Amino acid sequence: QVQLQESGPGLVKPSETLSLTCTVSGGSISNYYWSWIRQPPGKGLEWIGHIYDSGSTNYNASLKSRVTISVDTSKDQFSLTLRSVTAADTAVYYCASALFPRRITVFDFDSWGQGILVTVSS
Amino acid sequence: DIQMTQSPSSLSASVGDRVTITCRASQTISTYLNWYQQKPGKAPKLLIYGVSDLQSGVPSRFSGGGSGTDFTLTIRSLQPEDFATYFCQHTYNTPPTFGQGTRVEI
Repeated sequence: QVQLQESGPGLVKPSETLSLTCTVSGGSISNYYWSWIRQPPGKGLEWIGHIYDSGSTNYNASLKSRVTISVDTSKDQFSLTLRSVTAADTAVYYCASALFPRRITVFDFDSWGQGILVTVSS
Repeated sequence: DIQMTQSPSSLSASVGDRVTITCRASQTISTYLNWYQQKPGKAPKLLIYGVSDLQSGVPSRFSGGGSGTDFTLTIRSLQPEDFATYFCQHTYNTPPTFGQGTRVEI
């Protein structure tokens, strides 16, 4: 069974860059879309963007100017970079994907990492 | 972006109760509607996709319905493990957006 695991710093200073990595184990990163989703404490879920194994990306317009998602297929990892962070970027960040065969769209997220809390504070 | 509005925001229920949560989209999304369950400190879990298809392993007491802009999630006989927060999500276009959540509590 495929597992996803987020890693990265839990504390980032305002105006700096947030960088997270998701490692995919138990399966290949190839032929799927890989998403980042975040959830501010006590609030709802926001899709940040996704990447295909070819490197093709699609971002939420609300964050597009500050976000980059990249993939390293040799390591079965994909990464999130969010620039110029503020306190509003404090959230649990999840990596997720739609892996099951009967999915209807690439947004049917059946596989999630455990999440990593990133706090933006000086 | 398509806005997803859930009601109620929270509800109190007892074991054995029938519970219905509604989700309304700001425009038609056909049948591109999913439901997730989230427990404290855990990632969301996909329950239902395509309005009414149960994800593998999800108990049959969960069911979904609706089309167009109005959708429902029903839990037929609430069990202790069902106390959680439930989110709807559209997958009609990009970005996929989620409802604000409905907390089901005792």
